[in-house]
Amino acid sequence: TQLLEQSPQFLSIQEGENLTVYCNSSSVFSSLQWYRQEPGEGPVLLVTVVTGGEVKKLKRLTFQFGDARKDSSLHITAAQPGDTGLYLCRAGGGADGLTFGKGTHLIIQP
Amino acid sequence: SQTIHQWPATLVQPVGSPLSLECTVEGTSNPNLYWYRQAAGRGLQLLFYSVGIGQISSEVPQNLSASRPQDRQFILSSKKLLLSDSGFYLCAWSFTDYEQYFGPGTRLTVT
Repeated sequence: TQLLEQSPQFLSIQEGENLTVYCNSSSVFSSLQWYRQEPGEGPVLLVTVVTGGEVKKLKRLTFQFGDARKDSSLHITAAQPGDTGLYLCRAGGGADGLTFGKGTHLIIQP
Repeated sequence: SQTIHQWPATLVQPVGSPLSLECTVEGTSNPNLYWYRQAAGRGLQLLFYSVGIGQISSEVPQNLSASRPQDRQFILSSKKLLLSDSGFYLCAWSFTDYEQYFGPGTRLTVT
């Protein structure tokens, strides 16, 4: 099972600021997904990245897959209170050997 | 479009009582189905997954069990709950190896 480390564990910033959170491993991934989870709800898929160096944008969110496919980052521009939540990464493909990171708890203060 | 349902939404049960949580998926056939538990500070722990009717794989030893009596129905059960079974239980489905789609979850408190 691949071990995923997410950092920072907690992040609290003011509305309008930029931020980056990370998902790292010593293993090479075939794919990586990012999810956002709001309190009391299930995680919602944001994006899947599969190619080393790949960059995907979802409005103010930019996702990057590392060239060696061992790490990924999520950058949020001009954060808004609606971005508040737990951001989870999940790596691999299929159920065997897959794992979720413990997540980054993000709070955007108005 | 596909939708996933879980019930109940919340549950308070005494130690030693049985448990049955249900998950159903609509709008797809032969999905992969998953049960996760989420405890504070521990992230999402995969409990069971199923690739078809009657096919269940267990990821961790515990007093929980899972069954898939129908293609789009996944049930999580226990004969006797422990305090440590408290948590947020999530059902998910996937149609490919990459993305998973989660239900709204069940908050279980064992007292």
